[in-house]
Amino acid sequence: SYVLTQPPSVSVAPGQTARITCGGNNIGSKSVHWYQQKPGQAPVLVVYDDSDRPSGIPERFSGSNSGNTATLTISRVEAGDEADYYCQVWDSSSDHPGWVFGGGTKLTVL
Amino acid sequence: QVTLRESGPALVKPTQTLTLTCTFSGFSLSTSGMCVSWIRQPPGKALEWLALIDWDDDKYYSTSLKTRLTISKDTSKNQVVLTMTNMDPVDTATYYCARIGLVRDAFDIWGQGTMVTVSS
Repeated sequence: SYVLTQPPSVSVAPGQTARITCGGNNIGSKSVHWYQQKPGQAPVLVVYDDSDRPSGIPERFSGSNSGNTATLTISRVEAGDEADYYCQVWDSSSDHPGWVFGGGTKLTVL
Repeated sequence: QVTLRESGPALVKPTQTLTLTCTFSGFSLSTSGMCVSWIRQPPGKALEWLALIDWDDDKYYSTSLKTRLTISKDTSKNQVVLTMTNMDPVDTATYYCARIGLVRDAFDIWGQGTMVTVSS
């Protein structure tokens, strides 16, 4: 089955830029979606189809996807961005297609 | 406004069957492109996709759990039901239902989740 690999943690100072990666075999050929999950809350979709934002998500959240790595970029990081972030793809490459999540990255705002 | 709400037992015993219901509003599961999925999250761990049912009644299951899962829908009641057999303590988790609607293959709206503990 398809595997998505994320760093367990990323730390950044307020006002700086955070980059969270999501690695997968030829992930650039797939659409990658990103979710933000704050403690005790359900996940929220923050980026879809590699780089698009749902309504209500700040422009500070952006994404890119090429080769074997997709990246979620959060510009001008705020304390309220501290959360776990998950990447996700639809994998149709196997006999049993399904939805796959990465292991999650905890973003700490210093 | 689209909402989803999970319901079911908070505690089940090992070997029992878990039945969870997702009741939703603001959309119809008979509309082309609409899907409802179940996703779980053990305490302190990552999200794990379990199952999905679409508007055409096609069903998809996690490869690792497919022998234990059954997903179904009642379009008239706006409900999706997940059953998981032979529950084990490792199945202790928060179970979420989520919609695929506006974006293909992405879960755009989530329920609040329901915590299920498996213990004797």
